[in-house]
Amino acid sequence: KNEVEQSPQNLTAQEGEFITINCSYSVGISALHWLQQHPGGGIVSLFMLSSGKKKHGRLIATINIQEKHSSLHITASHPRDSAVYICAVPRSSGGSNYKLTFGKGTLLTVNP
Amino acid sequence: AAGVIQSPRHLIKEKRETATLKCYPIPRHDTVYWYQQGPGQDPQFLISFYEKMQSDKGSIPDRFSAQQFSDYHSELNMSSLELGDSALYFCASSPRPQSNEQFFGPGTRLTVL
Repeated sequence: KNEVEQSPQNLTAQEGEFITINCSYSVGISALHWLQQHPGGGIVSLFMLSSGKKKHGRLIATINIQEKHSSLHITASHPRDSAVYICAVPRSSGGSNYKLTFGKGTLLTVNP
Repeated sequence: AAGVIQSPRHLIKEKRETATLKCYPIPRHDTVYWYQQGPGQDPQFLISFYEKMQSDKGSIPDRFSAQQFSDYHSELNMSSLELGDSALYFCASSPRPQSNEQFFGPGTRLTVL
């Protein structure tokens, strides 16, 4: 079992639809990153959250630390939202810093 | 606001050549992480530095070495390149080692022919 599980792996939606991507993790500490990566592109940080909910434009991220679960929602989806969305959890190996463990990503395709 | 800078953005090398990738963290960030993302793969942690000292090591091949300099920028040196080293290498900087926050660079896309 992967330490960071995302679902679904692939998601196709029509423009305007409400999107939900889920992430469950079994390791890490009390925070989680949501990242976006366009095809052939670099990593862009969307959110880092350790409790509750954060909103940025049409994107909303929620986290339940007790259940080790987070969701990323996109309202009124648009074709430019098409990308891979990755959740990542910081974890300490006993040293003094927190490397990230990544999920395998969710490929979102929004059709016009 | 200043972001994490990586250079070069793209690099093409032949097998058995060497490559040096550079990462410039956000000013006053003293912690740098390196990650490798192979084609179709999820990113994997390579190595990290804090205050110019290696702080953690992941799945980094012995052919690779890295260091952090006095201005906190970091360089990843890769020797005897193999086809399988073709990947996106991105770094992240953090304001302190115990912080959950990591700010990502755009990455260097290395292609080994």
